[in-house]
Parts: sequence; C-alpha cells; structure tokens
Amino acid sequence: DTAVSQTPKYLVTQMGNDKSIKCEQNLGHDTMYWYKQDSKKFLKIMFSYNNKELIINETVPNRFSPKSPDKAHLNLHINSLELGDSAVYFCASSRQGSSYNSPLHFGNGTRLTVT
Amino acid sequence: GENVEQHPSTLSVQEGDSAVIKCTYSDSASNYFPWYKQELGKRPQLIIDIRSNVGEKKDQRIAVTLNKTAKHFSLHITETQPEDSAVYFCAASIGSSASKIIFGSGTRLSIRP
Repeated sequence: DTAVSQTPKYLVTQMGNDKSIKCEQNLGHDTMYWYKQDSKKFLKIMFSYNNKELIINETVPNRFSPKSPDKAHLNLHINSLELGDSAVYFCASSRQGSSYNSPLHFGNGTRLTVT
Repeated sequence: GENVEQHPSTLSVQEGDSAVIKCTYSDSASNYFPWYKQELGKRPQLIIDIRSNVGEKKDQRIAVTLNKTAKHFSLHITETQPEDSAVYFCAASIGSSASKIIFGSGTRLSIRP
C-alpha cells in the first residue's frame, strides 16, 4: 500500500493550459503539503493544510490553487501554465501537533513539463 | 529571513571513508531537524532526525549532531558504501508553528569505488 500517492506521475502540457495534480494519503495524518522541486533540486514549500484548513501559503502565484476536500486529500490546480512551472511537484503528509513536528512522508512526485 | 544553508553542494568520497554534510539555520525557534536522502528519480526519504533537546543521535552508520548555540547541525556517514550515493537534504522547522519545514539546497554525494 502506497502511503502517499499522487497522480499523474508525468504531466506534459502546453503553455496556457490548466491542469490538476491529485494527492491522497492513507496514514491518518492531519497535515498535508505541496513542495516544488526545480531543476537545481531545490525543494521549496508551497502550501500546507491542517485538517482541511490552509495554514501556509508561500508567496505562490495565485494561478496555483490547492484544495483539500478532506484531511486525506490535497489537490493542486494550476491555471494558465507557464514555462517556469516546469518542475517536480511533491505532495507530503505528516502528523503534527500544535508544537510538535514529525517526519514528512513524500509521494513519488509529479513531473510537470510545460512546452 | 527563514533560511537553511547547506554545504558542500557536491561531495565525493572514497568507498569506506566518512562523509560530513553541514547545515546552518537562522530561526532560533527551530526545534526539529530532519535529514532526507533522495536517489535519482525518487522521492526524498527520511534517514534520521533530531530534536532540539538532544545534541547527538546515531543510527548505525549515520549520525547527526546539533549545536543550538551556533545554529549548526551536521550529518555524518561512516564506512560509506556505493548505495550511499544520492542527494542529501537537511531541513529545519520554522517558527513556533509545527507545520513548516524548509530544506537546505542539497548535497550530491558520490561514493568512489
């Protein structure tokens, strides 16, 4: 059983299109994240949700809109795709308390290529 | 601002030798420091973590040390093996919130046979 699963694994699309990436976790975690990994391998946090509530939004363009229908799912919708959006997007989840951190569990990533 | 710096960016060591990767962080409220290993084309996976109430932690060939005063933490891999070749990321929790973890820029470790 995959703990954090995201689909699709690969996404090739043209500039200007709108696309979505889906993520689901079966670990019972209450916090989920989206990270972006660019070609230089930098891992940058984009969003964090705790129990379906947005708690971190890291100056990401508003073309990116996360949606969490329940605490096991966090989807990412991207409007008007640009060349610079090409990257690997990782979903992750963790069990967090109000002041307690625990490890992030990552999905296998979605490689987005915008042409 | 919030920052985790990681050095070196690349590291090549002879098989059997030790490897050390160093990180510094800027937020004095940081209290959780995980290390992740990412093999080519794969997802980052936790290899070891340390909390601010501990100065050192060891798990077989891997150890992490933390100096809270200097805001430094380091990863030590002993008796390196070919399968240790990967990109390693340090990370730190930021602020009083338990939900934000930011990553260093990564170290590409190569083990020479």
